[in-house]
Amino acid sequence: DIQMTQSPSSLSASIGDRVTITCRASHTIGAYLNWYQVKPGTAPKVVIYGASTLPSGVPSRFSGSGSGTDFTLAINGLHPEDFATYFCQHSYNTLYTFGQGTKLEMK
Amino acid sequence: EVQLVESGGALVQPGGSLRLSCSASGFRFRNSAMHWVRRAPGKSLEYLSHISGDGATTFYVDAVRGRFTISRDNSNNTLYLQMSSLRSDDTAMYYCTKDSERGDHFDYWGQGTLVTVSS
Repeated sequence: DIQMTQSPSSLSASIGDRVTITCRASHTIGAYLNWYQVKPGTAPKVVIYGASTLPSGVPSRFSGSGSGTDFTLAINGLHPEDFATYFCQHSYNTLYTFGQGTKLEMK
Repeated sequence: EVQLVESGGALVQPGGSLRLSCSASGFRFRNSAMHWVRRAPGKSLEYLSHISGDGATTFYVDAVRGRFTISRDNSNNTLYLQMSSLRSDDTAMYYCTKDSERGDHFDYWGQGTLVTVSS
């Protein structure tokens, strides 16, 4: 099974900051890496798919990079609505494993 | 507008059964593979199962194989998850998700339905 390791598990930041979250896969997964945003009481939302593709409607301050085993989600200039928990997920096979999550909190 | 609305979550005793439903609208349901994902309190997201658009192909992770059954009714645009032999570690928010056209990410999610397994 492919294990996904995210870091940090939590992150404290201020409005306007740039933050990065990393995700490491236990085996190479090419660019089959997605990032989801989860907020309490709302439907989770994909913010990056295919390691670096921004879905329609997601602000351009979100970006993704990486391939193989190491990936990064960056948010450039935090807005209030960005404070949430973020999960990486591989889609290399049908097990679709998620990382442990990174809780982004307001400082 | 794509909408996924889960229902059926409840408090159930260990060993009990429950059927979750996910009502879909705003897209060609029969053309989309669908998935179930859950999140236990304080835990990560956990992938559970998927079903092909025509319902012919299903997949389960080891944690639920043999206890959960995924199915769909394409005439009513509804996805189901029949859960049996429920355990306390099945307590979670359960989400249905839609597969993207590319087939490599989940492009829409519902808000979830809460299942609590407790005596």
